[in-house]
Amino acid sequence: DTGVSQDPRHKITKRGQNVTFRCDPISEHNRLYWYRQTLGQGPEFLTYFQNEAQLEKSRLLSDRFSAERPKGSFSTLEIQRTEQGDSAMYLCASSLKVAEAFFGQGTRLTVV
Amino acid sequence: GEDVEQSLFLSVREGDSSVINCTYTDSSSTYLYWYKQEPGAGLQLLTYIFSNMDMKQDQRLTVLLNKKDKHLSLRIADTQTGDSAIYFCAENRESSYKLIFGSGTRLLVRP
Repeated sequence: DTGVSQDPRHKITKRGQNVTFRCDPISEHNRLYWYRQTLGQGPEFLTYFQNEAQLEKSRLLSDRFSAERPKGSFSTLEIQRTEQGDSAMYLCASSLKVAEAFFGQGTRLTVV
Repeated sequence: GEDVEQSLFLSVREGDSSVINCTYTDSSSTYLYWYKQEPGAGLQLLTYIFSNMDMKQDQRLTVLLNKKDKHLSLRIADTQTGDSAIYFCAENRESSYKLIFGSGTRLLVRP
C-alpha cells in the first residue's frame, strides 16, 4: 500500500499525558498537512509543511501542540498535557500537486 | 467550516441520481473539491474542479460550479448502496495550501 500511513490508528490516554502521532506521506510528496476532525464536523486545518519547513499554522494549534517533519519525509504531531477537548480524529494528508491532497486513515484520540 | 456550507442529509433510492450541494464564500478560491468519508475512515478524494471551469465529469460523477453564486454541486448517477457515506465539499484559497471543509452531507442510499 503506497498511500498515506498513520500510526497509531487509535489512542486512549489519560488527561494530562503526552501523546505523539506519526504520519508517513506518499513517497516523493513534498507537502504534508495535519487536520483535526471532531464528531459531526469537517476536518479543520492545523498545520502544513513543505519539505521540512513548517510554513503555516492554524490558531487552533495551541502551544501544547507541536509538529515536526525533520527530514522532509515522515512527520510527528505531539500533544502535551492532553485535555478532554483534544479528543478527535487527527488526519494527515500529503500532496505533490497543489490540487491533489490524499488523506490517511487518521488517528482517533480519546482523552479520558 | 463556517465559510463552506452543506445540507446535512440526503436520502435517495438505489439507481436514482444524487445531487449534493455546497456554497462557499471566498471568491478567490482556486480549486474546489469533493471528498468521501466512510465510517471510521479517512477522506477519499473523489474529484476537484479548477475555479475557471464550470463543469467536470468523471464516470458517474459530475461537478457543476457556478462562480457567480459561489455554488458547487456533485451529481452521482445511478447511485449505489456503496455510495452511502459522508461527502465533504472543500475549497482551496489562492493565498494558502490549506483546505477549508464544509460540515459534510450524509448520503443514505436505500435499496
